[in-house]
Amino acid sequence: GNSVTQMEGPVTLSEEAFLTINCTYTATGYPSLFWYVQYPGEGLQLLLKATKADDKGSNKGFEATYRKETTSFHLEKGSVQVSDSAVYFCALSDDGGSQGNLIFGKGTKLSVKP
Amino acid sequence: DTGVSQNPRHKITKRGQNVTFRCDPISEHNRLYWYRQTLGQGPEFLTYFQNEAQLEKSRLLSDRFSAERPKGSFSTLEIQRTEQGDSAMYLCASSPRYGPDGYTFGSGTRLTVV
Repeated sequence: GNSVTQMEGPVTLSEEAFLTINCTYTATGYPSLFWYVQYPGEGLQLLLKATKADDKGSNKGFEATYRKETTSFHLEKGSVQVSDSAVYFCALSDDGGSQGNLIFGKGTKLSVKP
Repeated sequence: DTGVSQNPRHKITKRGQNVTFRCDPISEHNRLYWYRQTLGQGPEFLTYFQNEAQLEKSRLLSDRFSAERPKGSFSTLEIQRTEQGDSAMYLCASSPRYGPDGYTFGSGTRLTVV
């Protein structure tokens, strides 16, 4: 079945460091891919998405490119801030992008130190 | 619109009791989803509705769980004869039938079964 695998955390970085959180997926068809963020004490928020191969999603300095050849959707940010401390979830849409059920990875906790 | 609203935010119940949670989605969203998130894990799909029709249920949704969405507006999730293993965050999300923006999640209801 479809699945998402994320790098395990926690990840601890210093402010202004470069961030990469790896995400790979297994899916039939052509899923849409998402990154969600969960700040402490808050609900999940959509960070960015990509709906087809080679699409790049971006938001708030974060980027991820849909790589069909490597079945990956790695999250990157060039310079993290303390306010980026949160749990990040990679997810795929199970029905080809028409907003079906989402399958989530286990999440990666990021802590950014000043 | 104030987003997806879930009530209560927290619920503590004794094992064997019944509990009911409510979700009010974004008014123009046709789809409504329930997910469960346990500590250290990503959200897991439970069920979803398109308008008032419950279109899919996960195997995670045992006979003790029931969800309704009368009139295609708010939804309720009831757990009967709660067990300690039901302790989790229950998340609701809504989505347009076809839309580019993914889900909008509520803040969740945290259930603790003692």
